Amino acid sequence: DQQVKQNSPSLSVQEGRISILNCDYTNSMFDYFLWYKKYPAEGPTFLISISSIKDKNEDGRFTVFLNKSAKHLSLHIVPSQPGDSAVYFCAASAKGAGSYQLTFGKGTKLSVIP
Amino acid sequence: DSGVTQTPKHLITATGQRVTLRCSPRSGDLSVYWYQQSLDQGLQFLIQYYNGEERAKGNILERFSAQQFPDLHSELNLSSLELGDSALYFCASSVEGSGAFFGQGTRLTVV
Repeated sequence: DQQVKQNSPSLSVQEGRISILNCDYTNSMFDYFLWYKKYPAEGPTFLISISSIKDKNEDGRFTVFLNKSAKHLSLHIVPSQPGDSAVYFCAASAKGAGSYQLTFGKGTKLSVIP
Repeated sequence: DSGVTQTPKHLITATGQRVTLRCSPRSGDLSVYWYQQSLDQGLQFLIQYYNGEERAKGNILERFSAQQFPDLHSELNLSSLELGDSALYFCASSVEGSGAFFGQGTRLTVV
């Protein structure tokens, strides 16, 4: 039973356009959400996070939106750059558990075409 | 550089053997997490240690065990290895209020 789902295994976007990566979750206990970026042969790199008390968090070109009623979050990258090409993982945790034990989606491979 | 160091980077071993993966967390981080990434799976949480004590357990097999030492480094022990244990093993560390920061991983190949 996958509690965090990224339904698009891959996404291609033109350089300069917006990339939108989506993530759905089923566990209503999740209250903290993160996006990680992963290049081949490297560990995941933390990108941006959002607490369930917010519906939007922005950091430079990256914005995460959270829709709690729909149990859905998305990562927007504007403008997309070729260096953004990587696998993006959505992750969630139930902070009340007292840890950052993360449940990950299976990832979306983003390709930004020059 | 996340500040989390994992050794070795690559490991090739035979079925039935035992290996130890090592992780040094970021300076000041008390929590260490172990994750497994197989080819057809996303990152699966295995186990968490906090300041030397086991804090949370995920999908960790009984053949696997971990510990965290007084200097906060951690080791993941994998025994009676099977072909299906071939995967990337990641260590992450965190401090309260921040995200988890991952090491570069150890690629384990069981032949």
